[in-house]
Amino acid sequence: EDKVVQSPLSLVVHEGDTVTLNCSYEVTNFRSLLWYKQEKKAPTFLFMLTSSGIEKKSGRLSSILDKKELSSILNITATQTGDSAIYLCAPLSGGSYIPTFGRGTSLIVHP
Amino acid sequence: EAQVTQNPRYLITVTGKKLTVTCSQNMNHEYMSWYRQDPGLGLRQIYYSMNVEVTDKGDVPEGYKVSRKEKRNFPLILESPSPNQTSLYFCASSLSWGPGELFFGEGSRLTVL
Repeated sequence: EDKVVQSPLSLVVHEGDTVTLNCSYEVTNFRSLLWYKQEKKAPTFLFMLTSSGIEKKSGRLSSILDKKELSSILNITATQTGDSAIYLCAPLSGGSYIPTFGRGTSLIVHP
Repeated sequence: EAQVTQNPRYLITVTGKKLTVTCSQNMNHEYMSWYRQDPGLGLRQIYYSMNVEVTDKGDVPEGYKVSRKEKRNFPLILESPSPNQTSLYFCASSLSWGPGELFFGEGSRLTVL
């Protein structure tokens, strides 16, 4: 059975702090890993990672995959209140059409 | 504007009364799917469809039906809703199976009394 564990479950920081969110996975025949941000409504796409060690970056957000350690991290530098959201990771196994979503990390950024 | 549209956004109903949640996408996406999101359980896939007339079960299909008669539409049918189907439902689509980037609808909050 595929497993996805995100940590921490919840995080409260102040604006300007840097945070690192973790995603560990166990999926058969790993294909790719997706990161999503969910504010009060639908999840929105952040990154898709397929190759180990190659950082994807978008503004203050970056993410990297470690296939050896079966994990991925999402970094957010200089956090802002608008970064407050639930961050979801979803690995996808080859031959499956079902991404397995983790339970998410709830990030709250205080001004 | 590229989007996935779900209706209704909110619904309160009673046990046993059939209901349909519609989902429509305007991006000509092949892949569509339905998820439910419950506190502490994350997003779980109910059904997915790789293309017209091709549907398959996800992780939690019991109590649900779907159909894909047209590429753009993927309705979720609850033939006899029960209280344990009270949840937040999301429809999602992507260009091809895999999937790559999933585009989500705004969500439909369903309460079954």
